[in-house]
Amino acid sequence: EAEVAQSPRYKITEKSQAVAFWCDPISGHATLYWYRQILGQGPELLVQFQDESVVDDSQLPKDRFSAERLKGVDSTLKIQPAELGDSAMYLCASSGPTSASESSYNEQFFGPGTRLTVL
Amino acid sequence: AQSVTQLGSHVSVSEGALVLLRCNYSSSVPPYLFWYVQYPNQGLQLLLKYTSAATLVKGINGFEAEFKKSETSFHLTKPSAHMSDAAEYFCAVGSGGSYIPTFGRGTSLIVHP
Repeated sequence: EAEVAQSPRYKITEKSQAVAFWCDPISGHATLYWYRQILGQGPELLVQFQDESVVDDSQLPKDRFSAERLKGVDSTLKIQPAELGDSAMYLCASSGPTSASESSYNEQFFGPGTRLTVL
Repeated sequence: AQSVTQLGSHVSVSEGALVLLRCNYSSSVPPYLFWYVQYPNQGLQLLLKYTSAATLVKGINGFEAEFKKSETSFHLTKPSAHMSDAAEYFCAVGSGGSYIPTFGRGTSLIVHP
């Protein structure tokens, strides 16, 4: 069964260091999402890609976070410099080809996440 | 704007007992509603979704949820809890042109033997 892959699964870093997370969506999925999930809370969207283009990055702290999906397949999320408050689970999700109909819904499939701890 | 409120951060049941996890939503347009399950250190798995078809939605693992517009609720139920159901459950709402769900804070389901 196709799955969303993420690496690393766990990352420990010191504050002010740079970290990067990688996501490989399900083959053929045009839409890719990065979420941040703070312990005890639900996931919050950071950025959404449609192919290689950013659709929504309104919640991405752009002073330290960046995301790219250069070839419209896999994606990288970077934090530089990391801060203590960035400790969280970072989840990647993908969904299938978009439909021309605005009433359609494409299920999101989530990866296992990367657990980041900033010391 | 859309939002979700999950009542109770923790729910504890005995194995074999009824499971009821509560979710109320707020949406200015007809919503899509979802329940996801998350096991420790794993991603989210979709249990079921409501997308304006039947108001009683059946999902995986014996779970179901009923959309009640008058109560703005989408509570999740399962007749008989199993130990393997112990996990974090998230209700989420999407609407209109946004298929991106807004998640609640989650409810941790604890199942006692």
